[in-house]
Amino acid sequence: EIVLTQSPGTLSLSPGERATLSCRASQSVSSSYLAWYQQKPGQAPRLLIYGASSRATGIPDRFSGSGSGTDFTLTISRLEPEDFAVYYCQQYGSSRYTFGQGTKLEIK
Amino acid sequence: QVQLQESGPGLVKPSETLSLTCAVSGYSISSGYYWGWIRQPPGKGLEWIGSIYHSGSTYYNPSLKSRVTISVDTSKNQFSLKLSSVTAADTAVYYCARDTRGFGEGYFDYWGQGTLVTVSS
Repeated sequence: EIVLTQSPGTLSLSPGERATLSCRASQSVSSSYLAWYQQKPGQAPRLLIYGASSRATGIPDRFSGSGSGTDFTLTISRLEPEDFAVYYCQQYGSSRYTFGQGTKLEIK
Repeated sequence: QVQLQESGPGLVKPSETLSLTCAVSGYSISSGYYWGWIRQPPGKGLEWIGSIYHSGSTYYNPSLKSRVTISVDTSKNQFSLKLSSVTAADTAVYYCARDTRGFGEGYFDYWGQGTLVTVSS
């Protein structure tokens, strides 16, 4: 099973700042099968990025994804108040899905 | 617009079987895509449980495989989850979602709102 480790566990930033979230895999992941989700309290996760770098429908362009192999990054270029939430990375491989443990993005 | 809605008991006794159903609207299950279940214990992360195709083909998380059955009812445009021999560790919010694996992708693009299932006597 591929284990995804996200860092940092908590990121404290102010609106307008740039956020960089990391997702590291225990073995190589196909870039086609790496996704990012945003989850707010009491809500279901929302797909942000798929294929490591493609934005899902309706996702603002301040969200971007990059990376390959075992290291992937989600970048939010300029934080808006509504961006403070928990973010999960997810991989698909060997017919199964695994998720990272999440990064909480909180207002500083 | 694709919409998913989970339903089922919110309280299940230990050792019994958890049963949930996901009703899909805005898209015919028979038109393609896999359909999956994901759970999230209170305050914790996400865990994929398993996915099913309209033909009945299934994939399960190996860690839960011995206790999980996912089935589909195309006539009602819904799919279901059964998890047997539950314990307190199975207490979680259970989500259903559309699984894109059948189209050469690997993510969940539409999710239900989730339903909390508590395992307690």
